[in-house]
Formats: sequence, C-alpha cells, structure tokens
Amino acid sequence: DTAVSQTPKYLVTQMGNDKSIKCEQNLGHDTMYWYKQDSKKFLKIMFSYNNKELIINETVPNRFSPKSPDKAHLNLHINSLELGDSAVYFCASSQGEGYGYTFGSGTRLTVV
Amino acid sequence: KNEVEQSPQNLTAQEGEFITINCSYSVGISALHWLQQHPGGGIVSLFMLSSGKKKHGRLIATINIQEKHSSLHITASHPRDSAVYICAVGGPYGGSQGNLIFGKGTKLSVKP
Repeated sequence: DTAVSQTPKYLVTQMGNDKSIKCEQNLGHDTMYWYKQDSKKFLKIMFSYNNKELIINETVPNRFSPKSPDKAHLNLHINSLELGDSAVYFCASSQGEGYGYTFGSGTRLTVV
Repeated sequence: KNEVEQSPQNLTAQEGEFITINCSYSVGISALHWLQQHPGGGIVSLFMLSSGKKKHGRLIATINIQEKHSSLHITASHPRDSAVYICAVGGPYGGSQGNLIFGKGTKLSVKP
C-alpha cells in the first residue's frame, strides 16, 4: 500500500483553468503538507495543515487553496492557472514536528 | 543567503569512492533531514537527526548542533546512488509547525 499517494502524476492544462491535485495518506499522521519544486529543483513549503490549524506560506498566491475533507486527505486546488505555476508539487505527511516525513511521488503540472 | 546551504552543488565520483555531502544551516532547528530524489522524481527520506550520528547500510549521517552543520557520507559508492541529495531542517525556528526548509540539493553522479 502506498503511504502517501498523489493523483494525478502528470497534469497538462491551459492557462486560466482551475485544477485540483489530490493527496491521501494512510499512515495516520496528524499533519500534511504541500511543497512546490520549481524548475531549478528547489523545494519550498506551500501549506501545512493538521486538524487544528492551516499554516499558509505568505508567498503563496491566494489562487492556491488547500482543502481537507478529513485527516487523511489534503487536496490542492488551483484557480486561474498561470504559466508560472508549472512545477512539481509534492504532498507529504508527518506525525508532527520532530518526526520524519513521508513524501508522495509528486505531480508534474504543466500550464500551456 | 539561504538558511540551508549545501555543498557541493554537483559531485561526480567513481564507483567505490567515499562521498561526503555537507549541509550548514543558520536557524535553530529541532531536526535535520536528509532526503534522496532519484531521476524519476520521487523523494525518499533517508535520515532524521537531532544529534550525533546515524547509519543505514552504506549511508552515514552526522550532525553537530553547536556548529550547525551536518554531513552525509556514502561508503563504497555505486552508480545506483546517483541522485539528488537534499538537506532540510525543521523545527520551531527553522520552520513553523514542522515545515521544512530545504537546501538546493547536491546532484551526485557515480560512474562505473
């Protein structure tokens, strides 16, 4: 069983569209995260979320919104996609601060 | 200056060589992570350290909290070790709510 699964693996879409990336973890972890890896392979936190609190990186445009229907899921919704949104997005989970992280396999988003 | 600096950026080695990748950080942390990203893109957590040294197979990770420095060593390197190795720090100051701050990665190529 995949511990952190993301879908889709690849997503190609046109500018202006709205899209979602799904993430599910079966580890029972309390905290989930979304990270963005840019073209230079640099990873950066976008959001962290547990059942109590959403922490948003202030650099993330408000076109991006995390949605968590339950503790095991943290989906990423993106409105009005722009060319600069093209990147690989990684979902991850952990039991919290000071614990290890488990990453999903990534979603390569290409905006054309 | 990034809060997490890795060196070298690129490293080419011959099979069998002993490899060292360094990571320095400038913030207070609760833990430091070493991650591996293969050409296929997936990210695997190798180690989480808060003090001392950890060993797993041919991989050894050390951390010096006072000097804010960590090293990842690979003994008897093999072409299958070719990947990007990423240092990341997490904790109350290095990243809120358990978020990670990443180095830019070290691209390792091991030639047969």
